Amino acid sequence: DVKVTQSSRYLVKRTGEKVFLECVQDMDHENMFWYRQDPGLGLRLIYFSYDVKMKEKGDIPEGYSVSREKKERFSLILESASTNQTSMYLCASSLLAVYNEQFFGPGTRLTVL
Amino acid sequence: GNSVTQMEGPVTLSEEAFLTINCTYTATGYPSLFWYVQYPGEGLQLLLKATKADDKGSNKGFEATYRKETTSFHLEKGSVQVSDSAVYFCALTGNAGGTSYGKLTFGQGTILTVHP
Repeated sequence: DVKVTQSSRYLVKRTGEKVFLECVQDMDHENMFWYRQDPGLGLRLIYFSYDVKMKEKGDIPEGYSVSREKKERFSLILESASTNQTSMYLCASSLLAVYNEQFFGPGTRLTVL
Repeated sequence: GNSVTQMEGPVTLSEEAFLTINCTYTATGYPSLFWYVQYPGEGLQLLLKATKADDKGSNKGFEATYRKETTSFHLEKGSVQVSDSAVYFCALTGNAGGTSYGKLTFGQGTILTVHP
């Protein structure tokens, strides 16, 4: 079974802190994605990566950056956390083909005070 | 650009009732369509998918048919159970050659609650 793990289920940070969210997948998938989930808005894509050291902006990249130094690991970085970044963050991975399903991690609920 | 619109929720049903969650989309080309489900406290998991027009996806008693003429992919189940209580997301991935990398566009999600 594909497993996507995220480093924390719950995280509380203060405004201005630098925040790292880690995601690891164990199925050698090329693609990895970071989404945020907010009520009434569904999931919105922040960044994705289709290969090591490659990254592409999604729909809402402002205030975020990412890092993919190894194929199995994809990190989301909030350079200076703000209260409007309080949200549920979901990581996903998939094989390269367009129609392949994405496998999701359990999510990290981040609260920025 | 691509977009997905789901019916407004939340939806509350009694056990064994019939379920329909409407989903319509806007996309160029020939997208693949998906329904994902999120059970309480968990990440999303794929429920079913359809990759071309008139395909029917099915799983766990749920069905959805890819209707290109109406740009719809409505989710149905004949008899819901309490264990089906979850949030349901309709999604599509565009077919724009190799550049889409399987990026998903999601609807806003529909909360389903089933009472005994």
